[in-house]
Amino acid sequence: GAGVSQSPRYKVAKRGQDVALRCDPISGHVSLFWYQQALGQGPEFLTYFQNEAQLDKSGLPSDRFFAERPEGSVSTLKIQRTQQEDSAVYLCASRLQRREGPDTQYFGPGTRLTVL
Amino acid sequence: AQKVTQAQTEISVVEKEDVTLDCVYETRDTTYYLFWYKQPPSGELVFLIRRNSFDEQNEISGRYSWNFQKSTSSFNFTITASQVVDSAVYFCALRGYYGGSQGNLIFGKGTKLSVKP
Repeated sequence: GAGVSQSPRYKVAKRGQDVALRCDPISGHVSLFWYQQALGQGPEFLTYFQNEAQLDKSGLPSDRFFAERPEGSVSTLKIQRTQQEDSAVYLCASRLQRREGPDTQYFGPGTRLTVL
Repeated sequence: AQKVTQAQTEISVVEKEDVTLDCVYETRDTTYYLFWYKQPPSGELVFLIRRNSFDEQNEISGRYSWNFQKSTSSFNFTITASQVVDSAVYFCALRGYYGGSQGNLIFGKGTKLSVKP
């Protein structure tokens, strides 16, 4: 079946612009995560959804970052007034089950955001 | 606090050599899960293995093997007879069973493996 997809794959924004990054999880997956991966680093957690509920947004670096998953499937990560430090790869992952349980997160290809 | 350390930043080997990627973790959870992911140049994180904390049996999958030792909090990954296609960044990750993290993964900084022909 289809894996996690993300769009766009690459995004170049001028400083101060707003951007929206899309994630299509694996069909039927309850849990959805967003991660930020800076160059040469491991991914770092941003936010978590269980169906349409955003249960954890503790990793969002500032109030310029906003995520939603209104119908419990597709999710959008929005960054307002982008700054150069926002340049990174944004990864989306989905998981079949809710919080408990050992199942695995499956990742999309990421969106590489470059802020000029 | 949970933490994953991959001390090897980069490793370069010649094809057919064996190579071991080290991973050391810290957690206060009694139940937790450990993962290895591969990130090729295309950028997608590819799942390789998941290991439960209560299962210390080592695992072999083809040329890949994993050595989990709770006593030393290590979960090392060995590639036997490496191939050029193994070139990638490899990440070790930890996930607690419960907690406010909602099950997100804690990643190490990754080890970049280059396999030369």
